Amino acid sequence: GQNIDQPTEMTATEGAIVQINCTYQTSGFNGLFWYQQHAGEAPTFLSYNVLDGLEEKGRFSSFLSRSKGYSYLLLKELQMKDSASYLCAVPGSARQLTFGSGTQLTVLP
Amino acid sequence: DTAVSQTPKYLVTQMGNDKSIKCEQNLGHDTMYWYKQDSKKFLKIMFSYNNKELIINETVPNRFSPKSPDKAHLNLHINSLELGDSAVYFCASSQALDQPQHFGDGTRLSIL
Repeated sequence: GQNIDQPTEMTATEGAIVQINCTYQTSGFNGLFWYQQHAGEAPTFLSYNVLDGLEEKGRFSSFLSRSKGYSYLLLKELQMKDSASYLCAVPGSARQLTFGSGTQLTVLP
Repeated sequence: DTAVSQTPKYLVTQMGNDKSIKCEQNLGHDTMYWYKQDSKKFLKIMFSYNNKELIINETVPNRFSPKSPDKAHLNLHINSLELGDSAVYFCASSQALDQPQHFGDGTRLSIL
């Protein structure tokens, strides 16, 4: 089965940089996803990592270390609109996606 | 055009009733999913459906049944609704498991 851990809550200041960590345990690795979910809305895709290293996409970057079972999402130049829940997810052997419980990020002015 | 659409957006009903939630995707994806998100915001897979192959999360009660009339639709039927079924139900689709999933806007189900 899969086990995913990420912090429940984080707070940061507008304009700052924040790193949201995710550790996972899975039998057979098939990549790791990050999704963003604003309150009352649907999750939206942010990134997918299957190889080790950092993938940058604008203000957001995602890092993966398969040997450590570890990923992080890095958000730069934080904006108020970045306040949301960030969900880490891994595909499982049953060909279904398992989500972490999400990290609620609050960006303060 | 909406990629994944589900109806209704809100559903308020009484315990014991039977209800259905509809989902349609116009992305041409091969796989569709149903998720339940509870009050603690934990997003949990219920079903995935790919080319007539249904994969059921073992924790889902058999009161829940997905029905797929065609590749673009995966409806969720719930029998004998219980208080614990109150949650937001999301439909999603993707081309494959290692491809991004696109979510519908969710159906907020409240059981009285």
